[in-house]
Amino acid sequence: QAGLTQPPSVSKDLRQTATLTCAGNTNNVGFRGAAWLQQRQGHPPKLLSYRDNSRPSGVSERFSPSWSGNTASLTITGLQPEDEADYYCLAWDTSHSAWVFGGGTKLNVL
Amino acid sequence: EVQLVESGGGLVQPGRSLRLSCAASGFTFDNHPMHWVRQAPGKGLEWVSGLGGNSCCIGYADSVKGRFTVSRDNAKNSLYLQMTSLRPEDTALYYCVRDDAFDIWGQGTVVTVSS
Repeated sequence: QAGLTQPPSVSKDLRQTATLTCAGNTNNVGFRGAAWLQQRQGHPPKLLSYRDNSRPSGVSERFSPSWSGNTASLTITGLQPEDEADYYCLAWDTSHSAWVFGGGTKLNVL
Repeated sequence: EVQLVESGGGLVQPGRSLRLSCAASGFTFDNHPMHWVRQAPGKGLEWVSGLGGNSCCIGYADSVKGRFTVSRDNAKNSLYLQMTSLRPEDTALYYCVRDDAFDIWGQGTVVTVSS
């Protein structure tokens, strides 16, 4: 099944801004956007944003999702040490009638 | 507290079967679709299967289609995954996840397929 494309890793300095990308096609990201999840080492994933780009209660405003065409993005401002984690995008793929994840981006906060 | 607790994982030989369970609490279980997502050691997330609140709309990843069967018992607030013809590549941490929003995750149960 087709997946979503994410860069394997991104490195940014403390207090800087990171933008993570998730590239799909018209059948998945382009259809209804993508959700974003954060997974810290040794923990289950945590939902950061819904496919409509809204955030669940309790998720920091420093996490800002967006979506344009077939690409979804997650911008994280004021990077903190606790932001160091793996980030996954997730979308419904209409052509495969399946949910598809991106390969994940490891965010390193220097 | 909203909670999902998986169980049933373990070490199993290739070709054998295993049944995973997920006990839900703290929310109205039958109002929500449910999913299984797995993560192989050191790898990313892979959606395995999902079904609607009334057991409609069942879907499977191509990698497990024909071998895995998802089901739920709303009276017991439980989700299940019957896994047959297991392969070494099915070795993973299996998570139970709430809703098409994927908003609540359990801690997972480990399945190891090895001779």
